[in-house]
Amino acid sequence: QKEVEQDPGPLSVPEGAIVSLNCTYSNSAFQYFMWYRQYSRKGPELLMYTYSSGNKEDGRFTAQVDKSSKYISLFIRDSQPSDSATYLCAMTGGTSYGKLTFGQGTILTVHP
Amino acid sequence: NAGVTQTPKFQVLKTGQSMTLQCAQDMNHNSMYWYRQDPGMGLRLIYYSASEGTTDKGEVPNGYNVSRLNKREFSLRLESAAPSQTSVYFCASSEFRSSYEQYFGPGTRLTVT
Repeated sequence: QKEVEQDPGPLSVPEGAIVSLNCTYSNSAFQYFMWYRQYSRKGPELLMYTYSSGNKEDGRFTAQVDKSSKYISLFIRDSQPSDSATYLCAMTGGTSYGKLTFGQGTILTVHP
Repeated sequence: NAGVTQTPKFQVLKTGQSMTLQCAQDMNHNSMYWYRQDPGMGLRLIYYSASEGTTDKGEVPNGYNVSRLNKREFSLRLESAAPSQTSVYFCASSEFRSSYEQYFGPGTRLTVT
């Protein structure tokens, strides 16, 4: 079993839809939770991070962490075609501190 | 600032050939990383260098070697390429090993036939 599981999709939604992307994990020592966005044929770039449990909002993006369920989510409101990308969750903590463990990535397409 | 640069962008090798992937960063970061990305597998850490002069194995180090040439440069060498090493390779850097934000290069697409 992988330490981090992410539904690879692909996910296709119409412009303006609310998108929910999710990851589950097994290592209870993870404390930092990140979402990276990767456009086609580019390197990933950090979109948001959250420390421990709770919510964090940045414009149209909201990251949620539920440590009790070992479940994290990224919500995208009013999705735009420019949001079309692969979204990767990543996490670190405990003895793995400093080394990121990534999910498989979810391919998202927002069509006009 | 160029950020993280990688060369080459594309490479085709025959089984058994060797090659070195180059990576450089201009952000004065201490830590550097090599990942490979395969469909359905996400990013997997091959090797990392927490600081200049140190290197450590990651999740999938077999078949690879690395050199931290100086603070800016971190190279990945395939001594005898195998088809299983066909992948997209990303170099990344972070200010410190404990930093959660890593900055990625554009990747090298390697095909081994």
